[in-house]
Amino acid sequence: RKEVEQDPGPFNVPEGATVAFNCTYSNSASQSFFWYRQDCRKEPKLLMSVYSSGNEDGRFTAQLNRASQYISLLIRDSKLSDSATYLCVVTSFGNEKLTFGTGTRLTIIP
Amino acid sequence: DTEVTQTPKHLVMGMTNKKSLKCEQHMGHRAMYWYKQKAKKPPELMFVYSYEKLSINESVPSRFSPECPNSSLLNLHLHALQPEDSALYLCASSHQLTGRQPQHFGDGTRLSIL
Repeated sequence: RKEVEQDPGPFNVPEGATVAFNCTYSNSASQSFFWYRQDCRKEPKLLMSVYSSGNEDGRFTAQLNRASQYISLLIRDSKLSDSATYLCVVTSFGNEKLTFGTGTRLTIIP
Repeated sequence: DTEVTQTPKHLVMGMTNKKSLKCEQHMGHRAMYWYKQKAKKPPELMFVYSYEKLSINESVPSRFSPECPNSSLLNLHLHALQPEDSALYLCASSHQLTGRQPQHFGDGTRLSIL
């Protein structure tokens, strides 16, 4: 079983719709969680950190469920510019390395 | 605009060439990283420097040689690479070497080995 698993998609979603991704992690000692987005042939860019209480940044909401060991990303009122690959990233206590999921490909359709 | 700057953006080299990739950040970050990314795959960690000292080497072949001349600069020296080494090479930095802090990536060097 992979340490961090994501549905690779692709998700093809009409503009203005709401879309949600989940990401599961296997290490119960995981301590920090992030969502990155990566556009085609570009570098990953930090979208948001994920806090235990959940957090929101504009149209984006991230949640953490430690009991079930998953994090989620919700995008409301999706825009064409949201088209990208979304990478779930996890780190574990005592391990400084980022563990990446394989990414979920999202395409927003006009 | 990225705050981690990588040069060159593109590099084509033969298997016998020697070249270097450069990375620079002025955010005062004390941890810097090299990653390799193949198409449709997530980044794979290669090296980690913390306070200018090599902290992690993910069993990378010796044809890749990292160097951290100072806290702002990170180099990756390349020699006798193989065609399978063609990839996007990403540099990243974070405040310190702790998993609690996100890493900030440069826009990468796209490397092609002929």
